[in-house]
Amino acid sequence: EPEVTQTPSHQVTQMGQEVILRCVPISNHLYFYWYRQILGQKVEFLVSFYNNEISEKSEIFDDQFSVERPDGSNFTLKIRSTKLEDSAMYFCASSAGRRSNQPQHFGDGTRLSIL
Amino acid sequence: AQKITQTQPGMFVQEKEAVTLDCTYDTSDQSYGLFWYKQPSSGEMIFLIYQGSYDEQNATEGRYSLNFQKARKSANLVISASQLGDSAMYFCAMRGPPYNQGGKLIFGQGTELSVKP
Repeated sequence: EPEVTQTPSHQVTQMGQEVILRCVPISNHLYFYWYRQILGQKVEFLVSFYNNEISEKSEIFDDQFSVERPDGSNFTLKIRSTKLEDSAMYFCASSAGRRSNQPQHFGDGTRLSIL
Repeated sequence: AQKITQTQPGMFVQEKEAVTLDCTYDTSDQSYGLFWYKQPSSGEMIFLIYQGSYDEQNATEGRYSLNFQKARKSANLVISASQLGDSAMYFCAMRGPPYNQGGKLIFGQGTELSVKP
């Protein structure tokens, strides 16, 4: 069964450094998402992406964050200057469509630790 | 605004018994989808089951079924014949309009299920 893959599984970074989280969505999916889960809390939406542009972003997704689909397969989340509060599990998800009956399939996540 | 509420932070169930995890939601939309995801201790998010707002029958997927009561705005997950491998965090989530904004998922706080041998 096709799956969403994320790399790395764990990233440790010094505060103030840039970090890039990578995702390979399911190949025939058109809609891509990033979510964040701070330890022990619920999953929060960051951004959705379709047709090479952001469809929607949350208030968490400020100027320090950016997303890109540099080629036909990868989808990346960049945090320009990391803060301690960026420590969280980051999930990439993809969906064949945006209608309410189409599930989003998640990757295994990248655990980001900011020191 | 859409909202998902899961009022049970933790639940225990005996192996082989059934368990119900509660989920209530709030939305003014007529068209929406409700999803349940399982998150084991290893951290990944696994899609379990989906219920559409216009579906007349409750969704079922193997040992998982969804008790959908639209008037009460509840979408409870029922796991039959619990197994030790069912021990995990379970999240209820909603997806709805506006579709031109990509259909993000709104998650509840989660319920941690522990299955006892």
